[in-house]
Amino acid sequence: DGGITQSPKYLFRKEGQNVTLSCEQNLNHDAMYWYRQDPGQGLRLIYYSQIVNDFQKGDIAEGYSVSREKKESFPLTVTSAQKNPTAFYLCASSIRQGRRYSNQPQHFGDGTRLSIL
Amino acid sequence: GEDVEQSLFLSVREGDSSVINCTYTDSSSTYLYWYKQEPGAGLQLLTYIFSNMDMKQDQRLTVLLNKKDKHLSLRIADTQTGDSAIYFCAETRLGSQGNLIFGKGTKLSVKP
Repeated sequence: DGGITQSPKYLFRKEGQNVTLSCEQNLNHDAMYWYRQDPGQGLRLIYYSQIVNDFQKGDIAEGYSVSREKKESFPLTVTSAQKNPTAFYLCASSIRQGRRYSNQPQHFGDGTRLSIL
Repeated sequence: GEDVEQSLFLSVREGDSSVINCTYTDSSSTYLYWYKQEPGAGLQLLTYIFSNMDMKQDQRLTVLLNKKDKHLSLRIADTQTGDSAIYFCAETRLGSQGNLIFGKGTKLSVKP
């Protein structure tokens, strides 16, 4: 079955440590996205990538980094510069969007819950 | 104010209809989406509508869009306990490269 796999499901970070969240998709989608969800909040966009080897900052990119070396993979690193990393992180993918009309719905993984030790 | 607003809670009885409302502010909204999130899970796409449509029906789900008032609603007919979840409204805008702008979600509780 095609889908989006996020791992691990739970992750703990020590102070000063960088951690990497994995996101893999086998839907043959060009575009991939990372969102952060805090309790009682909607999702906020961290980074997105419309094509391999290219990515853009979203609304809350500070303290995070990404890479897009393969079409299937879009890992997110939460760096030590992110002072409040505790949240639920969701990865999504879609067919590449048009320049003006973004009519390709995004499909989501099951999320990674990150906590501080 | 927020770009996309939703009421935070809705409680209905099993078998009744549920109506979840959403308002948005940007007139360049192109597509509007409804996602469902069960506890501890990711988001499941339920349905979406282009901004020049006024209604879309898919089995128990009916989406109504009033573009003049920038108001979107999701009606779930014959609501079941399995429909208990958080429902997110989201929009994309012209030239936004598909980036979704989400409301804070409406928690639907279905009582037996």
